[in-house]
Amino acid sequence: DVKVTQSSRYLVKRTGEKVFLECVQDMDHENMFWYRQDPGLGLRLIYFSYDVKMKEKGDIPEGYSVSREKKERFSLILESASTNQTSMYLCAIDRNTGELFFGEGSRLTVL
Amino acid sequence: KNQVEQSPQSLIILEGKNCTLQCNYTVSPFSNLRWYKQDTGRGPVSLTIMTFSENTKSNGRYTATLDADTKQSSLHITASQLSDSASYICVVTPSGNTGKLIFGQGTTLQVKP
Repeated sequence: DVKVTQSSRYLVKRTGEKVFLECVQDMDHENMFWYRQDPGLGLRLIYFSYDVKMKEKGDIPEGYSVSREKKERFSLILESASTNQTSMYLCAIDRNTGELFFGEGSRLTVL
Repeated sequence: KNQVEQSPQSLIILEGKNCTLQCNYTVSPFSNLRWYKQDTGRGPVSLTIMTFSENTKSNGRYTATLDADTKQSSLHITASQLSDSASYICVVTPSGNTGKLIFGQGTTLQVKP
C-alpha cells in the first residue's frame, strides 16, 4: 500500500512565523504535490515536483515555497505566515496511474 | 475556462436509501475523471477512475457514470450506510496537462440513522 505521511496533523502558529509542513512517501514516486483546501473553494494546487530539486508553481504559489532535497520528502514552507493561510494542507503523490494518493492532511491555524 | 461544478452542495439522506451526486464539467479535452471520498479530517481517497471512453465504473456500492457528450458524471450510492457520510469530490484531468487537475468543490453527504 502507498503511504503518504504528513508530519503534523494540527498546527497553531502566529502571524509572521516561519512554518514547515513536511510530507514523506514510502515508495519511489517522482510526482509529489501540495494542495490547500478551503470551504467552498475545493482543493487548489500550490506547488508540485517531478523529481529531486525540481519544482513547479501551481495555481496559488504566492506566499509559499517548497523544497525537495530527497525523493521521498517534499516540504512546504510558509516564510512568514499570515492569517489568510489558515487552511487544510494536503500532500499527494501520483504513481503515473492517473490516481492521487493523499496524506491525512495538516490543519494550520495562523493567529 | 476549465471548470468542474458539483451538485448538490450538501445532502442528507436516511440510512439504507440510495442517492446520486452530480458533476458537470467544461474541461475539454480530458483524459480521465475521478471521484474521491473524503472523510472529515482525513485526506481524499479514490473511489473510481474513468477515461473519456468509459461509461460506467463500479466500486462496491458506488457506481460512477460518465456521459462525455453532455460532459456530465454522476456517482450513485446504493443502500447507504452511516460510513458513507463524507465529502465526495469530482476531479477531471485535462489532456496533456500533467499536474493541473481540475477539482470540483465537493458534495457533503450526511447519512442519518
